Amino acid sequence: GESVGLHLPTLSVQEGDNSIINCAYSNSASDYFIWYKQESGKGPQFIIDIRSNMDKRQGQRVTVLLNKTVKHLSLQIAATQPGDSAVYFCAENIGGGADGLTFGKGTHLIIQP
Amino acid sequence: NAGVTQTPKFQVLKTGQSMTLQCAQDMNHNSMYWYRQDPGMGLRLIYYSASEGTTDKGEVPNGYNVSRLNKREFSLRLESAAPSQTSVYFCASSGTFFDTDTQYFGPGTRLTVL
Repeated sequence: GESVGLHLPTLSVQEGDNSIINCAYSNSASDYFIWYKQESGKGPQFIIDIRSNMDKRQGQRVTVLLNKTVKHLSLQIAATQPGDSAVYFCAENIGGGADGLTFGKGTHLIIQP
Repeated sequence: NAGVTQTPKFQVLKTGQSMTLQCAQDMNHNSMYWYRQDPGMGLRLIYYSASEGTTDKGEVPNGYNVSRLNKREFSLRLESAAPSQTSVYFCASSGTFFDTDTQYFGPGTRLTVL
């Protein structure tokens, strides 16, 4: 079965607010996680990644948090903008394993004006 | 530097027809991947090539074949297309397979099988 999933299929936020997108994984052997953004009609675009030896990593307006105790991953987007509207996927890779990335189903982030 | 490119962008096939989806990357990456994405779903791995000269099955390989033509190019072939293969196909590449490097994706090929 799928080992990576997302809690909400759709998340609606006001422009300017912070967004938090959650992801649960079930494979404790997973050691690398990535967040991708996919806009309509386009391929997934890398946002940020984190390895299992870290619990937090920050990028430009984005932060990824990893809680290995409860196997939970989150993506925080600060000051959400209209251009952030997209589907966000978390993905995991199990120790450089031979089967690429395992993706969750995605959360559609909708920005309200 | 175009990254990962895919051709064609769109294709309509009849059941039983064959076709090859092309993918190329100019990032000198070792590993390449083919995924399919169905509506409302995440991506599922069809085949991958950890390095030039090698290919392996992913999660959903049935009905597909692949060829790693050289380091840059990785093609996906449907020998006898079926409606269940209607999907969006994405090619990706990454630097070094065993370093779990970030995968970079192409724009996708939208395939409809009638």
